[in-house]
Amino acid sequence: ETGVTQSPTHLIKTRGQQVTLRCSSQSGHNTVSWYQQALGQGPQFIFQYYREEENGRGNFPPRFSGLQFPNYSSELNVNALELDDSALYLCASSSGQGASADTQYFGPGTRLTVL
Amino acid sequence: GESVGLHLPTLSVQEGDNSIINCAYSNSASDYFIWYKQESGKGPQFIIDIRSNMDKRQGQRVTVLLNKTVKHLSLQIAATQPGDSAVYFCAENMGGGSYIPTFGRGTSLIVHP
Repeated sequence: ETGVTQSPTHLIKTRGQQVTLRCSSQSGHNTVSWYQQALGQGPQFIFQYYREEENGRGNFPPRFSGLQFPNYSSELNVNALELDDSALYLCASSSGQGASADTQYFGPGTRLTVL
Repeated sequence: GESVGLHLPTLSVQEGDNSIINCAYSNSASDYFIWYKQESGKGPQFIIDIRSNMDKRQGQRVTVLLNKTVKHLSLQIAATQPGDSAVYFCAENMGGGSYIPTFGRGTSLIVHP
């Protein structure tokens, strides 16, 4: 196992609702990244946090936001859910920063279904 | 836009055979490449990586080859086992001081006993 955990495992929401997904990184890993993986596709980068500050962002709208906490936990928040937000959401933690970042360790993901 | 893609969506092999999974990338600025294995119900698992100043790197039963001339990456798995059955992704990092990997679509490897 990678030592990265995510909760909940599965979640069902309706369109327009808000959702918070949680991730617990490996101890000592100051970088956390979040990805969206649609069925049959590769993970798409949402954003990355390093020491509680956003360190990079992919092509996702502002209704996708995040937080990173000092205790190696983090959150992904999605407002005004749309049907296309249905996907597997993955977090990955690593030590270091930027180009010196160590290997990313992925959690098992949260399966979000938007009805 | 530039993207990472895979040539074959599905690869079926017999147990004991060698497997080769290919990946094409189009961003010449990419300086770091990673192969991941994703089993059903799990997150991607790091297999092996390679930097752009290398053309080959070997791990345990796996070898990654990088051909920057044609922007091609491959993962070779020796003596493929049923436990190797999974979806394999290549990912590229565009450098510039950031680590934001771009994943390809994935290849499903099916190993028949």
